[in-house]
Amino acid sequence: GAVVSQHPSWVICKSGTSVKIECRSLDFQATTMFWYRQFPKQSLMLMATSNEGSKATYEQGVEKDKFLINHASLTLSTLTVTSAHPEDSSFYICSARSSYEQYFGPGTRLTVT
Amino acid sequence: EDQVTQSPEALRLQEGESSSLNCSYTVSGLRGLFWYRQDPGKGPEFLFTLYSAGEEKEKERLKATLTKKESFLHITAPKPEDSATYLCAVHLTGNQFYFGTGTSLTVIP
Repeated sequence: GAVVSQHPSWVICKSGTSVKIECRSLDFQATTMFWYRQFPKQSLMLMATSNEGSKATYEQGVEKDKFLINHASLTLSTLTVTSAHPEDSSFYICSARSSYEQYFGPGTRLTVT
Repeated sequence: EDQVTQSPEALRLQEGESSSLNCSYTVSGLRGLFWYRQDPGKGPEFLFTLYSAGEEKEKERLKATLTKKESFLHITAPKPEDSATYLCAVHLTGNQFYFGTGTSLTVIP
């Protein structure tokens, strides 16, 4: 199957700083990528849909100015958590669509202290 | 309102004890239903896509089936390494993608 990578796999940052997470489709081009957030023992919550070359579409309740998404190429999307606070600590997962199936990255564990 | 419900929330099986996980959905315009496996601290791993009622797909000890209202993931003679959370998701004609809350499966040796 198709491979999606994320970097970093885990990050610890101080409150008030910004963190960038990269999502790459390694062996296919993805016009659409998705960013999810997952809390412990809960299912994935879609945050935004990222389309290459255009602005991301955010789900209701997700702050656009806090979670900046850039999809500059067909293989790379980035999520920047700006001015992070402890409540932003979570597991962030990206996915990329290949024709019809959707493949997920391994996730990034963000801890804000 | 579009809804995806998985049951049971948690399931404990003895090694070799076959069982089924359920994913029921109430949606408008189903394009496809997906099954994923998720291990702790990792992203979901794609298992199957089902597109129409009556369709079945198999992979090793897993078989997924689909009706107009639900999907089953059958696990035959499970092994401890099958322990994981199994997620189903529906893809709708409006391009929405909704996940169920998952079934946490534990297989005891």
